Amino acid sequence: GENVEQHPSTLSVQEGDSAVIKCTYSDSASNYFPWYKQELGKGPQLIIDIRSNVGEKKDQRIAVTLNKTAKHFSLHITETQPEDSAVYFCAARPYDYKLSFGAGTTVTVRA
Amino acid sequence: GAVVSQHPSWVICKSGTSVKIECRSLDFQATTMFWYRQFPKQSLMLMATSNEGSKATYEQGVEKDKFLINHASLTLSTLTVTSAHPEDSSFYICSVMWGSYNEQFFGPGTRLTVL
Repeated sequence: GENVEQHPSTLSVQEGDSAVIKCTYSDSASNYFPWYKQELGKGPQLIIDIRSNVGEKKDQRIAVTLNKTAKHFSLHITETQPEDSAVYFCAARPYDYKLSFGAGTTVTVRA
Repeated sequence: GAVVSQHPSWVICKSGTSVKIECRSLDFQATTMFWYRQFPKQSLMLMATSNEGSKATYEQGVEKDKFLINHASLTLSTLTVTSAHPEDSSFYICSVMWGSYNEQFFGPGTRLTVL
């Protein structure tokens, strides 16, 4: 099955700086790559996603890039704010609609 | 995106009792729902896929007789943890697929504590 690795496990950034989280996947059949933000005690919230026919997607301060050849994708958060502090999960999905999640990255934005 | 609710948001029960968790799709009819379990500081682990009108599909290692799933309508799936034990204490989260690319949207989760 699909195996997703996520790095780093923790990330501390100064408010206003950028944060980058990287993920790799193993199944070349995966064609959908969502990113979720999870705040303490809450369910994951879909913040952005990318499909295999696209190399980059941006939504305001959040952007995701995908390199299918290398099987890796990344989340970029610019101009970080304290409310960006949360756990972020990457995921990959092949044809059977089952998401495989990374281990998560705890992002802390220092004011 | 799709709006998903769960009830209860938290529950405490005694060891040996059964607990039912509800997952509702509020703004569309969901033929497929997913149930996940998340232990503290860990990632989400898929437990089962709930299909309306048919039996759920369980992931390897998940006991189907312990975690009973009923998807009786297009807006409601239930997860019953039978004969709960302290090791079943966890955060249970459901999700639905919606949108042109079958995006997955999650509910707010249910915190189960078994004493």
